[in-house]
Amino acid sequence: EADIYQTPRYLVIGTGKKITLECSQTMGHDKMYWYQQDPGMELHLIHYSYGVNSTEKGDLSSESTVSRIRTEHFPLTLESARPSHTSQYLCASRGNRTGQGYTFGSGTRLTVV
Amino acid sequence: GQQLNQSPQSMFIQEGEDVSMNCTSSSIFNTWLWYKQDPGEGPVLLIALYKAGELTSNGRLTAQFGITRKDSFLNISASIPSDVGIYFCAGQRNSGGSNYKLTFGKGTLLTVNP
Repeated sequence: EADIYQTPRYLVIGTGKKITLECSQTMGHDKMYWYQQDPGMELHLIHYSYGVNSTEKGDLSSESTVSRIRTEHFPLTLESARPSHTSQYLCASRGNRTGQGYTFGSGTRLTVV
Repeated sequence: GQQLNQSPQSMFIQEGEDVSMNCTSSSIFNTWLWYKQDPGEGPVLLIALYKAGELTSNGRLTAQFGITRKDSFLNISASIPSDVGIYFCAGQRNSGGSNYKLTFGKGTLLTVNP
């Protein structure tokens, strides 16, 4: 049973639309992350958060924004979707134990037409 | 930023064969992790390694934390069709702000022919 949930799993939308990808976890983890994964497999960190009201940009520049108002919730928003935003978006979280790995959600496959 | 060199990038093998893949880095890591990603899903943790020289098994999977702390290896024995997927290595340093972020390799795509 998954402890981190992403919705929707698949989304096809038109250019210019505003979208929000949802990510929720029930593990009480402080640290959460958003990755973008192209068909070429590589995972690119685009946003992360160390806790409520904390958000940082990742290694890959992204036009998306995130918010962290509640510990369990870390939504990602695109104000105006474009075809270049077509990708797989993966959310992950991590507890505070040293060396603890990430738990990933199942991802959202976004297609912008 | 830090980089992990993961190889090979892809592998095509016959069912029953053994598989080896590895990751190397120019920097030391305190933790090495191996993940598998099935098609259409998020990565799932397979094995975590916390000590240089550590050798850990999980069923047919065996992973090792290199003595230099700059590399790690994953072996899969007697491969089966459900081993198909993308395998990622990841390293973590337990120092300062980098404590919270993993550095991922670029992945190894494994295809197993029945």
